Amino acid sequence: GIQVEQSPPDLILQEGANSTLRCNFSDSVNNLQWFHQNPWGQLINLFYIPSGTKQNGRLSATTVATERYSLLYISSSQTTDSGVYFCAVEPNDYKLSFGAGTTVTVRA
Amino acid sequence: NAGVTQTPKFRVLKTGQSMTLLCAQDMNHEYMYWYRQDPGMGLRLIHYSVGEGTTAKGEVPDGYNVSRLKKQNFLLGLESAAPSQTSVYFCASRSRDRSYEQYFGPGTRLTVT
Repeated sequence: GIQVEQSPPDLILQEGANSTLRCNFSDSVNNLQWFHQNPWGQLINLFYIPSGTKQNGRLSATTVATERYSLLYISSSQTTDSGVYFCAVEPNDYKLSFGAGTTVTVRA
Repeated sequence: NAGVTQTPKFRVLKTGQSMTLLCAQDMNHEYMYWYRQDPGMGLRLIHYSVGEGTTAKGEVPDGYNVSRLKKQNFLLGLESAAPSQTSVYFCASRSRDRSYEQYFGPGTRLTVT
């Protein structure tokens, strides 16, 4: 099956810092989503982005489908950004495959 | 519009007991999914359904059964719970005709002692 690798596994930020999370995948995909899992365990949809660039407030994402990677940018980080960020991809079979996640800790 | 809901939110079982987790969605989605999440890991697909009356195995189906008798509901059953099934279970749904974006429920935390 498709392989999804996220880096770095852990990230510690000072409030106000910027960061970039990366997701590499091993095959072409129809769907790529970024999720934020908050400290209460809730999975929040951030972006549906199989290709191109999107922005939502302080977050933005870019997927380069031909090179099989996606980047999630967090700017001016806040403590509420803490949690685990997951990348998930769907090749062409209705099923999402998840990476192991990047754990982000933002310190005040 | 409640989205995807899951019942119960928490449950503790003893080894060998059975239970059913209920997932309901009000978005008229064709596809529904059950995942489990273990500490330090991403979500892994247990079973999924592409329509009412159809189910299929995912990555980790052993020890679980599912049913999709109504389009809006997807049930996950544990016939004889084992400690290895201690996990957080997430349900998700997706439309066939619009974007491929999946929507997740709030999760069910299950502990098997």
